[in-house]
This record gives sequence, structure tokens and C-alpha cells, in this order.
Amino acid sequence: EAQVTQNPRYLITVTGKKLTVTCSQNMNHEYMSWYRQDPGLGLRQIYYSMNVEVTDKGDVPEGYKVSRKEKRNFPLILESPSPNQTSLYFCASRVQGMNTEAFFGQGTRLTVV
Amino acid sequence: DAKTTQPTSMDCAEGRAANLPCNHSTISGNEYVYWYRQIHSQGPQYIIHGLKNNETNEMASLIITEDRKSSTLILPHATLRDTAVYYCIVRANNNAGNMLTFGGGTRLMVKP
Repeated sequence: EAQVTQNPRYLITVTGKKLTVTCSQNMNHEYMSWYRQDPGLGLRQIYYSMNVEVTDKGDVPEGYKVSRKEKRNFPLILESPSPNQTSLYFCASRVQGMNTEAFFGQGTRLTVV
Repeated sequence: DAKTTQPTSMDCAEGRAANLPCNHSTISGNEYVYWYRQIHSQGPQYIIHGLKNNETNEMASLIITEDRKSSTLILPHATLRDTAVYYCIVRANNNAGNMLTFGGGTRLMVKP
């Protein structure tokens, strides 16, 4: 089954403790992206990647890092999480080319205390 | 990408057609209209997209006006499971990097 898998689905952590949210897709998609969703602010893009070893900042990249060493994986790294990074996070992927639909993971609900 | 305007919320009776409007008056020639929906706090789900012709798939129909300044997503027989936030997004055909820019969407409530 074609899917985008995020782990963990839920995470509660403390301020400053480094964490990684993993994202994996099995569709051989070139494009992958991370979004965060907050009440009243909607979905905002954090980082995206157009292919292996190619990443770029989205609208709200501060406090986040990503890597794209393999095509299928696009982890989101929070080196020093802070409470304002408490949010619902979504990973997405799509194939390269025109008019292509994006597939989203089921989300990771992160709470930083 | 062009900005879109959608009503904040709408109700629809179960079994009836749900017609969700979207205004995109600043759309340019190479920009497509995409529709996604988000059920509760799940990941957004692709529904349909189009450029200027009307489109239909197993989920919905998309009607785009001739001047392309607005469109309507039609769910022909809404069910309770169609209750969700529906996002209308305009994206350039050559927008390789920035995937999708989500607005506020329309919260559709399907009622029995």
C-alpha cells in the first residue's frame, strides 16, 4: 500500500532535549516536505526537499533541521525543542512533475513542556 | 501562488450535494486549482485538481468558471464521513519547490 509513515504519532518531551521525527514514503517520490499545523494558523511549511541531498527552507524553518540522505526518508530534527514548537506535524511527498498530488502522513502530535 | 477565499463553514444534509465555493480572482494562466480535505486531525487528503476544464473523479467534481476566477467543489451525495475541512489551493504548474500553501479552508458539517 502506498503510504507516508511518520513516527512517533505522539510525543511529549522536555525543553532542550533533542528529538527526531521520522518520515518514510514507499512511492519513490522525489519531493518531500514537512508542515506544522497550529490552531488559527493553518498548515505552514517548515522544510522541503526536491530530491536526495537537496533541501530548502519553507515558511517557518527556525528551530528545525532536516536531512535527505535517502530518497524514501526525510527526518525532521529538533536540536533544542522549545514549548512554541508544540504542534501537529505532517510529512508529505509527491512525485516529480506537473499536476501531481501530495500524499500526507497521519501526523505527529508533539508536546514540549 | 494566488490567494484563495473560501467560506469559513458550511452545513449540508446527508445525501444531498455539497457545493463548496472558492474564489481565486488573482489566478494566473499556469496555476492549477487543487482541493484537499482534512478529516479531524488526520493528514490532508487529495481530492481533485484542474486547470480550466471541469474535472470529475470518484470522489468529487470540480467546476471552474470560464474566467477561472472561481471554482466549486461538488460532493454529489454527501455522507457523514465527508465532514471535514476542505482546502482550495492554487498552485503554479512550475512551482517545483514550495509544495502547497494552505489557507483557512471551509469546515463542512454534514448533518443527518
